[in-house]
Amino acid sequence: AQSVTQLDSHVSVSEGTPVLLRCNYSSSYSPSLFWYVQHPNKGLQLLLKYTSAATLVKGINGFEAEFKKSETSFHLTKPSAHMSDAAEYFCVVSGLSGGYNKLIFGAGTRLAVHP
Amino acid sequence: EADIYQTPRYLVIGTGKKITLECSQTMGHDKMYWYQQDPGMELHLIHYSYGVNSTEKGDLSSESTVSRIRTEHFPLTLESARPSHTSQYLCASSAALNTQYFGPGTRLTVL
Repeated sequence: AQSVTQLDSHVSVSEGTPVLLRCNYSSSYSPSLFWYVQHPNKGLQLLLKYTSAATLVKGINGFEAEFKKSETSFHLTKPSAHMSDAAEYFCVVSGLSGGYNKLIFGAGTRLAVHP
Repeated sequence: EADIYQTPRYLVIGTGKKITLECSQTMGHDKMYWYQQDPGMELHLIHYSYGVNSTEKGDLSSESTVSRIRTEHFPLTLESARPSHTSQYLCASSAALNTQYFGPGTRLTVL
């Protein structure tokens, strides 16, 4: 069975400081992993995805994530937060189930960015 | 930016009314999905479709129904809305087993 745990429900940073959103996954085989972002009253936007190629994945808006199999982690980072980064972030693991690519969502991490 | 659209974006309606939430995509994706998301919570799959004339129930039980008569269109219907149906409904699509792309969502409030 696959599962994903986002370790922080809320993260608050100052503008210009680094961002770290933590995610641990559980999967019986090599998973595909994603980070999605959801701004208020908007749908989900794909930030980046890992599909067993390079372990360091670069996404949009300066975000990146590193797949660490030994730690079963896929943490999302950004060197310098911007006010527009304030949003809800979802770590997602994907796998086959009944012939479709089932997405299993974490509970989400709400990122607040202060001036 | 993916080309997947949902209407209406917001809907406030009384108990007992029939509603249809529209979802369309212009990417020619075979697979489409409906998720339900309560405020501050993760998404739960309620319906999915492999292609035309194919629909399946998802992980979360839902009183809604779906249809897939055309590749690009995957509407969700509630025959008789109730306050417990108040939620955000997100539609997504994917090509084969690849990444799912999401629409902007419909925020439904049933009074």
